[in-house]
Amino acid sequence: QKEVEQDPGPLSVPEGAIVSLNCTYSNSAFQYFMWYRQYSRKGPELLMYTYSSGNKEDGRFTAQVDKSSKYISLFIRDSQPSDSATYLCAMSEADTGNQFYFGTGTSLTVIP
Amino acid sequence: GAVVSQHPSRVICKSGTSVKIECRSLDFQATTMFWYRQFPKQSLMLMATSNEGSKATYEQGVEKDKFLINHASLTLSTLTVTSAHPEDSSFYICSAIPQGHTIYFGEGSWLTVV
Repeated sequence: QKEVEQDPGPLSVPEGAIVSLNCTYSNSAFQYFMWYRQYSRKGPELLMYTYSSGNKEDGRFTAQVDKSSKYISLFIRDSQPSDSATYLCAMSEADTGNQFYFGTGTSLTVIP
Repeated sequence: GAVVSQHPSRVICKSGTSVKIECRSLDFQATTMFWYRQFPKQSLMLMATSNEGSKATYEQGVEKDKFLINHASLTLSTLTVTSAHPEDSSFYICSAIPQGHTIYFGEGSWLTVV
């Protein structure tokens, strides 16, 4: 079983829709959770960073962590065509410093 | 956020030649940097962990003599693809951790070997 599971999609939604992207994980020691957006032919860009459980909101983006279920989500409200990209989740343990675990990425297309 | 810069963003080289890709941390010092390879529509594949002042740690299956990594300073790591072949054509991405537990990526470098 992979450490981090993410549905690769592709996911296609109409402009203005609410998008829900998810990752599940198996390691209960993960404490730090990140979401990255990667446009085609570009490096991943950090979108959201969350420590432990709870919600974090930044504009149209909300990151949610449910450690009891080992499940994290990224919600995008009022989706725009410019949100079309691949979204990667990543996570790490508290004290392992440099070890990060990535999901495979979900490809999202927002149709105008 | 922290800035990680890669250069060149695109490079074309002839088969059999070597090509160097640079990764710089612009506003922080990075004792550790990471190099990834990404094929179209696939996830990041960690190739190696670059450590300042010491040898890089390569992932299983990655040829260290093929992909030479040098981390000579706290702000610069280089990846040299030696004797490049068309199958080495790929998107190479570096990353670094400024502090804490957030990783930042470079813009990526497209390598095409002809």
